Amino acid sequence: NAGVTQTPKFQVLKTGQSMTLQCAQDMNHEYMSWYRQDPGMGLRLIHYSVGAGITDQGEVPNGYNVSRSTTEDFPLRLLSAAPSQTSVYFCASSPVPSNQPQHFGDGTRLSIL
Amino acid sequence: KNEVEQSPQNLTAQEGEFITINCSYSVGISALHWLQQHPGGGIVSLFMLSSGKKKHGRLIATINIQEKHSSLHITASHPRDSAVYICAVRVRGGADGLTFGKGTHLIIQP
Repeated sequence: NAGVTQTPKFQVLKTGQSMTLQCAQDMNHEYMSWYRQDPGMGLRLIHYSVGAGITDQGEVPNGYNVSRSTTEDFPLRLLSAAPSQTSVYFCASSPVPSNQPQHFGDGTRLSIL
Repeated sequence: KNEVEQSPQNLTAQEGEFITINCSYSVGISALHWLQQHPGGGIVSLFMLSSGKKKHGRLIATINIQEKHSSLHITASHPRDSAVYICAVRVRGGADGLTFGKGTHLIIQP
């Protein structure tokens, strides 16, 4: 099992560019989420999904879009990148209910110039 | 506001020492998680607790729901235990997803 796979691992963007961070899991988990990790702060929830076709906002959703067309994939889209979105992004998954140990991807380190 | 507070922020100890990391929270929770993040950046789930105590190898996690407090203990610490240890809670009645502490940076010296 690959677990939770995030791509790319590193990315540099210019302000205003758009891009999609990919997240895929092969454990048939219903619950998936995106977090960002910034220096001196705990991880913060961006968006989450409790199943295909269902998404909801977390603590810091502005500037990000998500969709969940399949159980396996949960991409995170930056519509118009801003320097404030420079961060390390983690995708996580767990079985429903979400009150279960979460499996994390290795992270995507994103820099916005 | 910090709903999840960890202490200490940084801890350096000698190999073999008994390590305790503390986590306090100010909200009602349905579960508490302890996670480990190594220098490479990957995050691994160590424990999920809703009551009592759990043990895995040299790691022990306890939670006191009434006092809103949890501890992570490492017995016979080893340099490979050097990592950031993160406490996270699922807030009861809140949005799905976890609320995280800022982490405790642990260094075990040989």
